[in-house]
Amino acid sequence: NAGVTQTPKFQVLKTGQSMTLQCAQDMNHNSMYWYRQDPGMGLRLIYYSASEGTTDKGEVPNGYNVSRLNKREFSLRLESAAPSQTSVYFCASRTGKTRDTQYFGPGTRLTVL
Amino acid sequence: TQLLEQSPQFLSIQEGENLTVYCNSSSVFSSLQWYRQEPGEGPVLLVTVVTGGEVKKLKRLTFQFGDARKDSSLHITAAQTGDTGLYLCAGAENYGQNFVFGPGTRLSVLP
Repeated sequence: NAGVTQTPKFQVLKTGQSMTLQCAQDMNHNSMYWYRQDPGMGLRLIYYSASEGTTDKGEVPNGYNVSRLNKREFSLRLESAAPSQTSVYFCASRTGKTRDTQYFGPGTRLTVL
Repeated sequence: TQLLEQSPQFLSIQEGENLTVYCNSSSVFSSLQWYRQEPGEGPVLLVTVVTGGEVKKLKRLTFQFGDARKDSSLHITAAQTGDTGLYLCAGAENYGQNFVFGPGTRLSVLP
């Protein structure tokens, strides 16, 4: 099992460009998450999907959109990138049960110039 | 919105020393998790605690959940260089699926 995979690993964008971050999990998990991590601020939830076909906003959704393509895949789109979106983005998945483990991908380091 | 604070923000110690890091909030959590994150990687779950006063041990790591379920501590005995990393706590309110993360404690264990 690969666990949670993310592509790309690194990306540099210019202000106003768009891109999609891809995430896939092979653990048959129901719930998937997108976080961003900035220095000194821990991880902040952008969007989550409790099950296939559903998505909900997290703490910092502005400037992002998501798609739960199927049970395995959950993508994050930046329609018009801004320098404030420079961050490390993590995708995660979990079964959704109490005490279960949330598995994180390796992250995408995004720089917006 | 819950606010989780972690202290200290940075900690540098010698191999073999003991240490404790803290996670505090004014909110009550139904469950609290501790993660360790190494550079260039995603966080890895260490433990989940759900009962007030609960103590969990993982080899040299001891986790405690406060009686009021508002705070938690992580104690490491005889630290090793392999313990170096960013330690994050994350709390869930009302048995929700989503966890709020603290800013982390960055630990360096020197040989």
